[in-house]
Amino acid sequence: GENVEQHPSTLSVQEGDSAVIKCTYSDSASNYFPWYKQELGKGPQLIIDIRSNVGEKKDQRIAVTLNKTAKHFSLHITETQPEDSAVYFCAARKGYSTLTFGKGTMLLVSP
Amino acid sequence: DAGVTQSPTHLIKTRGQQVTLRCSPKSGHDTVSWYQQALGQGPQFIFQYYEEEERQRGNFPDRFSGHQFPNYSSELNVNALLLGDSALYLCASSLAGTNTGELFFGEGSRLTVL
Repeated sequence: GENVEQHPSTLSVQEGDSAVIKCTYSDSASNYFPWYKQELGKGPQLIIDIRSNVGEKKDQRIAVTLNKTAKHFSLHITETQPEDSAVYFCAARKGYSTLTFGKGTMLLVSP
Repeated sequence: DAGVTQSPTHLIKTRGQQVTLRCSPKSGHDTVSWYQQALGQGPQFIFQYYEEEERQRGNFPDRFSGHQFPNYSSELNVNALLLGDSALYLCASSLAGTNTGELFFGEGSRLTVL
């Protein structure tokens, strides 16, 4: 089955800096790659996703890049703010199968 | 528009007991998936229900079972609870037939097994 590796496990940045979280996947047939943000005591919330026919997608301060050849995708957050502090999960899915999640990255943005 | 709702939010059980968790999907969604999230880990897929049938199952023992009702709501049942079953149980809903359809998660039910 699919295996998703996520790095780093923790990331501390200063407010205003950029943050990058990287994931690799094992199944070359995977074609959908969402990113979720999970705040303390809450369920994961989708923040951005990308399909395998697209190399990059942006939404304001958030962007995701996908390298199908290398089977890795990354989340980029620019101009980080304290409210960006949370646990971020990457995931991968093939066709109609279920999502396989990474182990998460705890992002801490210090004022 | 109500999102995914889960109940109860927290519960404590002892080893060997049984538990039932409930989920109502987001309005318009017909598919419910259940995930187990252990502390410090990503969600692990348990199973998915569509048209009142289990369509896909992850690597979980038969102690984990579920049900989907005609109104698309769902239950997760866990029998013979073990200490290792302590986790946040997440319900997610989606619309069938959309292979890149977004999963909407509920806030979860936190189960503690003593």
